[in-house]
Amino acid sequence: QSALTQPASVSGSPGQSITISCTGTSSDVGGYNYVSWYQQHPGKAPKLIVYDVTERPSGVSNRFSGSKSGNTASLTISGLQAEDEADFFCASYTSSTTVIFGGGTKVTVL
Amino acid sequence: QVQLVESGGGVVQPGRSLRLSCAASGFSFRNYGMHWVRQAPGKGLEWVAALSSDGNNIFYADSVKGRFTISRDNFKNMLYLQMIGLRAEDSAVYYCAKDVGGGIRCPGFWGQGTLVTVSS
Repeated sequence: QSALTQPASVSGSPGQSITISCTGTSSDVGGYNYVSWYQQHPGKAPKLIVYDVTERPSGVSNRFSGSKSGNTASLTISGLQAEDEADFFCASYTSSTTVIFGGGTKVTVL
Repeated sequence: QVQLVESGGGVVQPGRSLRLSCAASGFSFRNYGMHWVRQAPGKGLEWVAALSSDGNNIFYADSVKGRFTISRDNFKNMLYLQMIGLRAEDSAVYYCAKDVGGGIRCPGFWGQGTLVTVSS
């Protein structure tokens, strides 16, 4: 099964909003409301920031929001801050009862 | 607070075996599904395996099926990954992660990882 498709990079200026897309198929993203997003700073473990498409774990900033339409999920970061510069990965539950990740998106704050 | 501490990584020759461990604390381990996810140096995340809270439902990525075995001990709050027939492409940081629920749905909290290097 191929990885979910994410843009390699997205950039924005402080205060702006950016959106990262994550495209899969009807066997993963489109078939279940079990899409999650992770933020990973260099040398650190991934941190869950959105799960079940739209839910945020306790303590995660409300500047991060998730959505889904068909086979494509999206993560929006509003009010972009310097500390948001990191790699972001999406993931989805699949019809094979596995988890599949996206290739990752490097977010740069200009 | 929730803690996951992986151990057992190291340098191993191709074809050899290695057993990774993950010590869990700060939450009710027996109530959560658990995952192993790996990340090759400079690469993305690859889901490896997961099992349900009671250990009865186990799933593997095709890339490791038949070579890796995931297991858990709910009395010791431990997660394991037994790896045999290791290949160069198995070299990665291996993370254990707690699911957001009792099944296998979404890796939630992650440990800091343990590095496995397969090289002659």
